[in-house]
Amino acid sequence: AQSVAQPEDQVNVAEGNPLTVKCTYSVSGNPYLFWYVQYPNRGLQFLLKYITGDNLVKGSYGFEAEFNKSQTSFHLKKPSALVSDSALYFCAVRDPGANNLFFGTGTRLTVIP
Amino acid sequence: DAGVTQSPTHLIKTRGQQVTLRCSPKSGHDTVSWYQQALGQGPQFIFQYYEEEERQRGNFPDRFSGHQFPNYSSELNVNALLLGDSALYLCASSLGFRRARTEAFFGQGTRLTVV
Repeated sequence: AQSVAQPEDQVNVAEGNPLTVKCTYSVSGNPYLFWYVQYPNRGLQFLLKYITGDNLVKGSYGFEAEFNKSQTSFHLKKPSALVSDSALYFCAVRDPGANNLFFGTGTRLTVIP
Repeated sequence: DAGVTQSPTHLIKTRGQQVTLRCSPKSGHDTVSWYQQALGQGPQFIFQYYEEEERQRGNFPDRFSGHQFPNYSSELNVNALLLGDSALYLCASSLGFRRARTEAFFGQGTRLTVV
């Protein structure tokens, strides 16, 4: 069975500071991992994915994520937060044998001016 | 290039009624998935359509059904609505079936409220 945990419901960070949004996963086999962002009254926007290869993945809007197989984690990071980054962030995993995405419960990021 | 479009954006229905939600996939995409996002929760997979057939289904009752048309657009139908069906319903499209490496693109969702 596949599962995703986002241990923090809320993350607050000052503008200009680095941010981290945490995600851990459980899946049989090698995982395919994704990050999506959701702005109010909007659908999900794709940020980045890890399939294979380099453990540091770069995505949209300056975001990056680090895959750590031993810790089964896929934390989302950004070196310098912007107020416009304030949104709801979802980590998702896809078992290579399945088609659907399995989402975490989301982390609300608030960047304080 | 149009992304994933869903209609309507908002809908209010009475308990026991039936509802149909519609989705047009991103241009070039042939696979459509539906997700339910309850308030404060992550999206949960309902089912996926490819080549006009339901290919995979999540843990949802038979009251939830769907259809995919030859132009790849899709409908989600929910019968005998319950108050607990109130949620944001998201459509996602992707290219190819069993291409797990590809990302899905989501529409803006349909907010369904059951009263």
